[in-house]
Amino acid sequence: GESVGLHLPTLSVQEGDNSIINCAYSNSASDYFIWYKQESGKGPQFIIDIRSNMDKRQGQRVTVLLNKTVKHLSLQIAATQPGDSAVYFCAENTAGNQFYFGTGTSLTVIP
Amino acid sequence: DTEVTQTPKHLVMGMTNKKSLKCEQHMGHRAMYWYKQKAKKPPELMFVYSYEKLSINESVPSRFSPECPNSSLLNLHLHALQPEDSALYLCASSQDYRLHSSYEQYFGPGTRLTVT
Repeated sequence: GESVGLHLPTLSVQEGDNSIINCAYSNSASDYFIWYKQESGKGPQFIIDIRSNMDKRQGQRVTVLLNKTVKHLSLQIAATQPGDSAVYFCAENTAGNQFYFGTGTSLTVIP
Repeated sequence: DTEVTQTPKHLVMGMTNKKSLKCEQHMGHRAMYWYKQKAKKPPELMFVYSYEKLSINESVPSRFSPECPNSSLLNLHLHALQPEDSALYLCASSQDYRLHSSYEQYFGPGTRLTVT
């Protein structure tokens, strides 16, 4: 399943499928990006980050892709599990450590 | 240990009350942040402290008063709040805060504030 982040705030996927969450960031000068996962009633949890000198970074079951030409960021989750259900935010950083968050995408995993 | 702790977890206060939110980290981070998050919205930056000094105030009303007593603690003093200030208040920390550098930012669980 795939979302366009700012335009489609919800995404439902079947357990075991891959998920793609998209984010269009606003500032071409942004040089550092973080994906956060926020479960209901909890604070945002760091998932993975990427700097602007890279276009891809992989973690455990997650991959972040950065396309600076079109100012687009995506988070790919492999073999999505029920525990992945949460709201996912991308955050961009332009100057120092001031992060600005995107609208967020709510991911629901269907067992 | 990448834990940021916040107390209390929940707070209900009247518009004439004075209360404080507390945040603590023991990761040796020198930058700490307060964010406000309304339901179904992203976190919004309020304040940034770097080396115990206020570096950024994102035009926050004076009824919110931050304080950084030492490098591990961050407080947010609340006075004469309005019902629209009800939100989840999140604290975060990072290794440092510099104009041309960026670091991972870790969040606490938040304080759910209700103003009646």
